Amino acid sequence: GNSVTQMEGPVTLSEEAFLTINCTYTATGYPSLFWYVQYPGEGLQLLLKATKADDKGSNKGFEATYRKETTSFHLEKGSVQVSDSAVYFCALSDPGASKIIFGSGTRLSIRP
Amino acid sequence: DAGVIQSPRHEVTEMGQEVTLRCKPISGHNSLFWYRQTMMRGLELLIYFNNNVPIDDSGMPEDRFSAKMPNASFSTLKIQPSEPRDSAVYFCASSSRAMNTEAFFGQGTRLTVV
Repeated sequence: GNSVTQMEGPVTLSEEAFLTINCTYTATGYPSLFWYVQYPGEGLQLLLKATKADDKGSNKGFEATYRKETTSFHLEKGSVQVSDSAVYFCALSDPGASKIIFGSGTRLSIRP
Repeated sequence: DAGVIQSPRHEVTEMGQEVTLRCKPISGHNSLFWYRQTMMRGLELLIYFNNNVPIDDSGMPEDRFSAKMPNASFSTLKIQPSEPRDSAVYFCASSSRAMNTEAFFGQGTRLTVV
């Protein structure tokens, strides 16, 4: 079945460091791919999305490119801030079942 | 739109009591999801509805859990009787059933069973 695998956390970086959080997926058909972010005490918010191969989603300095050949959707940011500390979830839509499948989440902590 | 609205935000109850969590999805959305989040298990999909009809409840942990969606603007998740291991944050999310659209989450209900 369809699934999402993302890198284990926690990830701890210094402010202004480069960030990569890896995400790979298994899917039949043509899913959309998403990154969600969860700040402490809050629900999940959509960070960015891509709906077809080679699309790049971007928001708040974060980027991810839909790579069908490597079945990946890695999240990147060139210079992280303390305010980026949160849990990040990679997800895909399951077109056949009309549901969203989430990865296990990666906790990111940024040191000042 | 106010987004997905869940109530209550926090619930503390004694073991054995019935607990009802409520959700109002975004107007016009016809898919609704209930998730549970814990440190140990992460984010788990419990059940989801399309057009008010339960499609997949395979994530519901036990018969003590039940969910209903009597109309397009309201859903409940009930636990009866509650147990301490049910303590978690429960999220409701909704989406348009059009293919490949994202889900929008509520703020969650933090349930503590003592």
